[in-house]
Amino acid sequence: DGGITQSPKYLFRKEGQNVTLSCEQNLNHDAMYWYRQDPGQGLRLIYYSQIVNDFQKGDIAEGYSVSREKKESFPLTVTSAQKNPTAFYLCASSKSGGRGEQFFGPGTRLTVL
Amino acid sequence: QQQVKQSPQSLIVQKGGISIINCAYENTAFDYFPWYQQFPGKGPALLIAIRPDVSEKKEGRFTISFNKSAKQFSLHIMDSQPGDSATYFCAAQPGNTPLVFGKGTRLSVIA
Repeated sequence: DGGITQSPKYLFRKEGQNVTLSCEQNLNHDAMYWYRQDPGQGLRLIYYSQIVNDFQKGDIAEGYSVSREKKESFPLTVTSAQKNPTAFYLCASSKSGGRGEQFFGPGTRLTVL
Repeated sequence: QQQVKQSPQSLIVQKGGISIINCAYENTAFDYFPWYQQFPGKGPALLIAIRPDVSEKKEGRFTISFNKSAKQFSLHIMDSQPGDSATYFCAAQPGNTPLVFGKGTRLSVIA
């Protein structure tokens, strides 16, 4: 089955710890994205990558970091610098050039205690 | 200029009724307008999309109406069902840059 896998579904961390969220896709898509979702805020873009070894900041990149060493993988690290990290994180991908439909993963709910 | 304004924030519709969600934009470079449906605890999924060369697109009970001159587009759900209860997001894309999303509309269809 082609799709996007995010793991884990639920993640708990203590304040001050860095945490890495996994995102893998087997759709052979060039572009990948990370969004943060908070109640009433819609989907806010954190980072995106249109090609391997290249990525761009989105609207709310502060306190986050990413890497894109492989086409299939786009992990997101939530650092201790992120002031309010508790949220639902969504990974997405789209075909070459980032045009058209984005396919979303099932999301990871991060809770920082 | 990059914003997409979505209304209403929440909507309650009776079963069998028509649900209407509206979006407005300013950036005339937007050339792709999708609607996504999201159920609680799940990722959004593409519902229907339109490009500005047509004024309307229909897929089953779902219709997008697009008004280029007014820079507005809307989603109509005909014969709304309880299973349509979800959060709906409009979005817009300028060229090959990332989608810009509205803030979402929580739809509840009651029997």
